[in-house]
Amino acid sequence: KNEVEQSPQNLTAQEGEFITINCSYSVGISALHWLQQHPGGGIVSLFMLSSGKKKHGRLIATINIQEKHSSLHITASHPRDSAVYICAVSFGGTSYGKLTFGQGTILTVHP
Amino acid sequence: DAGVIQSPRHEVTEMGQEVTLRCKPISGHNSLFWYRQTMMRGLELLIYFNNNVPIDDSGMPEDRFSAKMPNASFSTLKIQPSEPRDSAVYFCASSGNGGPRNEQFFGPGTRLTVL
Repeated sequence: KNEVEQSPQNLTAQEGEFITINCSYSVGISALHWLQQHPGGGIVSLFMLSSGKKKHGRLIATINIQEKHSSLHITASHPRDSAVYICAVSFGGTSYGKLTFGQGTILTVHP
Repeated sequence: DAGVIQSPRHEVTEMGQEVTLRCKPISGHNSLFWYRQTMMRGLELLIYFNNNVPIDDSGMPEDRFSAKMPNASFSTLKIQPSEPRDSAVYFCASSGNGGPRNEQFFGPGTRLTVL
């Protein structure tokens, strides 16, 4: 069974802190996605990466294919970053981008 | 671009009733995914289509669930008969050419409550 594990499950931080959320997976993948879900429920794709590192504003995502591990970093965290962050992986072959999801990390940033 | 459109946004129904959820993907996208999200199980893929053809429906929980994509701009997910355990948020997503390295764009979801 393909599995995606995230840690921590819950994370509380003070505004301004540097935050790291981790994701590990058990088999080779084609790409890894980081998604954000706000309390209102909408899901937004933050990053899709298959190697190396990507940066968008205060968000940085890295992936180590050999170690089957990815991290999402938030620099200078802000209360508006409070959301659920979900890691998902897609496999190659004929899977047409089918995603398998981690359980999510609930992030709360206090002012 | 209007993004992925889902309707209704909220649905409350009684056990045994038929429920139909609708999705309009982003124009030009040829892959469409239906997901279900619950507190207990998180996000799960139910079924996905590529070029209107169902590719993998292994996530569809039971025969009570069915999905169709009659054309490139419309898909439905039907539950008949509905049961309280079907209560969840159902998301539709679309992507460009369905490859494993394409970003998926999610709709706002339909929150279904079965009483």
